[in-house]
Amino acid sequence: QMQLVESGGGVVQPARSLRLSCAASGFTFSNYAMHWVRQAPGKGLEWLAAISYDGTYTFYAYSVRGRFTISRDNSRNSLYLQLGSLTTEDTALYHCARSRGDGKNPLDYWGQGTLVTVSS
Amino acid sequence: EIVLTQSPGTLSLSPGERATLSCRASQSFSSSYLAWYQQKPGQAPRLLIYGASNRATGIPDRFSGSGSGTDFTLTISRLEPEDFAVYYCQHYGDSPKMFGQGTKVEI
Repeated sequence: QMQLVESGGGVVQPARSLRLSCAASGFTFSNYAMHWVRQAPGKGLEWLAAISYDGTYTFYAYSVRGRFTISRDNSRNSLYLQLGSLTTEDTALYHCARSRGDGKNPLDYWGQGTLVTVSS
Repeated sequence: EIVLTQSPGTLSLSPGERATLSCRASQSFSSSYLAWYQQKPGQAPRLLIYGASNRATGIPDRFSGSGSGTDFTLTISRLEPEDFAVYYCQHYGDSPKMFGQGTKVEI
């Protein structure tokens, strides 16, 4: 059974960093591009970043470029998002999701998300 | 970047009625890269439509998508109680892969 399980969220102070993880199972992780998408409380979806199936290419939303870093470890079937210079506007539920091929495909499976709260 | 604007913000309908949701892009792009997602409270989004008009696996045929260029539409032919949710369109071609702001379909 396919699963994407995010972890690493919590309460963090402004200006600090945090690393999120996404554990994949039930499919061949190394065949898929992966994405991070967040949703602030009561708000819509915001695409943040993507990484190619082999980790060669990464892509970012303008809002997080230079602050967030996406990476993956195919030997561990894991995806990561390093969040830096956090502000209260980064408070959100962070989902990982997969897409086929080169990343120019729809996000066909999502995890339930991990909640990040930025507060002093 | 391509900005997607969805309308209306909220659609108030009854079960059995037809729902028509709009997604308008700030610039034209290939319909191959337009998706629709459904999100219910407390759940992750679910892919409904990709390539503007192709239903994802397991999606009922009451859901249909159409459009090209800058104007795209999601139609739910006869609303079922489980269809009341928030719907998002997304451009998934070149990055950034933007979402629209969502349309809430409520009873």
